[in-house]
Amino acid sequence: NAGVMQNPRHLVRRRGQEARLRCSPMKGHSHVYWYRQLPEEGLKFMVYLQKENIIDESGMPKERFSAEFPKEGPSILRIQQVVRGDSAAYFCASSLDSRVDNQPQHFGDGTRLSIL
Amino acid sequence: AQSVSQHNHHVILSEAASLELGCNYSYGGTVNLFWYVQYPGQHLQLLLKYFSGDPLVKGIKGFEAEFIKSKFSFNLRKPSVQWSDTAEYFCAVRPYSGAGSYQLTFGKGTKLSVIP
Repeated sequence: NAGVMQNPRHLVRRRGQEARLRCSPMKGHSHVYWYRQLPEEGLKFMVYLQKENIIDESGMPKERFSAEFPKEGPSILRIQQVVRGDSAAYFCASSLDSRVDNQPQHFGDGTRLSIL
Repeated sequence: AQSVSQHNHHVILSEAASLELGCNYSYGGTVNLFWYVQYPGQHLQLLLKYFSGDPLVKGIKGFEAEFIKSKFSFNLRKPSVQWSDTAEYFCAVRPYSGAGSYQLTFGKGTKLSVIP
């Protein structure tokens, strides 16, 4: 158990539905990162959030994708009107501080999203 | 933007064989370097990291990696692999400072299969 909790582990959606992926960072961590892993690919950065703030969403598709990290509760990655190409593993990571050298990112188990 | 290249897609070894997985990165500045391992169905786990100092870093489970700055390489090694090392290994780089210095850029991964 890495301490970063993601749910669900597996999510199946039909085209056009919405997918909501949740991530609870490790205790004490206030920085959250979302990555997407397409089949046969490495992880690609999507978005970096701190509590109530999106710091960098340069890796997010411009449409249908959004992320939040509210003051209370987990971080949510939302995909609206899903398409087959959204099928992937979505990983969340957290850290104490993004720039403190001895604080690497710790990853959750991922959510495997399948679009029918 | 930085990029990471892992030379081998799939490596098959017998137990007790020595392992070396190649990783090269491209980035013009100072970087932090990481190797992560992903066991089947599990989260990414940090094997080892390089921030500064001795370019030969030792990680968990008997793994080590050597940072060769002139070659932009950070190869992973283990003298004698075990069946339990069967997993996928990802090399990752992060800029030391500046814009995007929290973004990990991953290679595509190398699948290691160890035959008993």
